[in-house]
Amino acid sequence: AQSVTQLDSHVSVSEGTPVLLRCNYSSSYSPSLFWYVQHPNKGLQLLLKYTSAATLVKGINGFEAEFKKSETSFHLTKPSAHMSDAAEYFCVVSDPARTGTASKLTFGTGTRLQVTL
Amino acid sequence: NAGVTQTPKFQVLKTGQSMTLQCAQDMNHNSMYWYRQDPGMGLRLIYYSASEGTTDKGEVPNGYNVSRLNKREFSLRLESAAPSQTSVYFCASSQTGSTDTQYFGPGTRLTVL
Repeated sequence: AQSVTQLDSHVSVSEGTPVLLRCNYSSSYSPSLFWYVQHPNKGLQLLLKYTSAATLVKGINGFEAEFKKSETSFHLTKPSAHMSDAAEYFCVVSDPARTGTASKLTFGTGTRLQVTL
Repeated sequence: NAGVTQTPKFQVLKTGQSMTLQCAQDMNHNSMYWYRQDPGMGLRLIYYSASEGTTDKGEVPNGYNVSRLNKREFSLRLESAAPSQTSVYFCASSQTGSTDTQYFGPGTRLTVL
């Protein structure tokens, strides 16, 4: 079975300061990992994904995440927060589906990022 | 190219009423999914369809049925709505395989009184 733990339900940062959203995962297999962002009353948008290539993954809007197998972590970072980054962020793990089958995602409970002036 | 579309955007039902949520994608994806989102719980998979003609239960299938009408469309039906089904429902689609990105629709906000 796979699972995801987002260590903070709410993070508040000042505009221009670094962002760190923490995620630990559990998987019996080599997982695929994703970060999605959800702005208020919107659907989910992919920020970045890890699929067993480079361990440091760059995404959209200046976000990146590092896959650390020894720590079973996939933390999301951004050097400088912007007001538009305020949203809910979900860490997601995918099971290693056989070719030709659907992927089944397990979502974390989310981290709400607040950005203040 | 609209991506994943869902109708309706909002719906209010009374307990015991039925309704169908519609989802369509124009990305020629093989797999489609239905999730519900509740506060503090992330998204949970209700049903999915790996390919046209197949459907499978997810984590929380009770009280729901689905139909993969064709490759583009995947509907979710509530036969007898209950207050516990008050939630935001998201449809998603992807190609196949665990590395493929799922693309999400804008959601349907359902309230059951």
